[in-house]
Amino acid sequence: GAGVSQSPRYKVAKRGQDVALRCDPISGHVSLFWYQQALGQGPEFLTYFQNEAQLDKSGLPSDRFFAERPEGSVSTLKIQRTQQEDSAVYLCASIGPADNNYGYTFGSGTRLTVV
Amino acid sequence: KNQVEQSPQSLIILEGKNCTLQCNYTVSPFSNLRWYKQDTGRGPVSLTIMTFSENTKSNGRYTATLDADTKQSSLHITASQLSDSASYICVVPSSGGYNKLIFGAGTRLAVHP
Repeated sequence: GAGVSQSPRYKVAKRGQDVALRCDPISGHVSLFWYQQALGQGPEFLTYFQNEAQLDKSGLPSDRFFAERPEGSVSTLKIQRTQQEDSAVYLCASIGPADNNYGYTFGSGTRLTVV
Repeated sequence: KNQVEQSPQSLIILEGKNCTLQCNYTVSPFSNLRWYKQDTGRGPVSLTIMTFSENTKSNGRYTATLDADTKQSSLHITASQLSDSASYICVVPSSGGYNKLIFGAGTRLAVHP
């Protein structure tokens, strides 16, 4: 596609529910990032993939957070047993192999509200 | 402590006026600094990217400056328009490589008619 696509755009989950957030990066983009953006704050790094390999997951807040990219394209961020503090916008971004350091393209994000 | 600090936190200006947003960073080593615009409900979009050797860079009505010695940057918006209402975020790549970005909290700009 022309850009990074994320779904759903909005998700309301009851506390304790599991959720799965999807990211479709730009076709052919090797690097994929997930960021978490709390209300009124800048995005914070969660995890990074190069193709299907998860090279850095140091930003994941707890073991309830899990991300995968099994075929090196679409990625899913899963949050188990959601808690209110998980409420945030989850942004996905990708960088292509021909891009230099600067070629970040962000999706519009998934706004997760845990009630 | 956040490695990228921005000020002011929020700003209201009248349409047609100019404004300047500030960014201080402590990330080291430094490779480049970026300013992003984030409209409500959208992902951030890059406005400018400056390497340590660049002092100023313009993109239309947006002009960014960089002082790598004092680790300060500014974003100047000229002749503001209503569509400039957004959050402006200063971003610096971390020292760990592979383009991991460190974001400031942003300045929320509101342009009023």
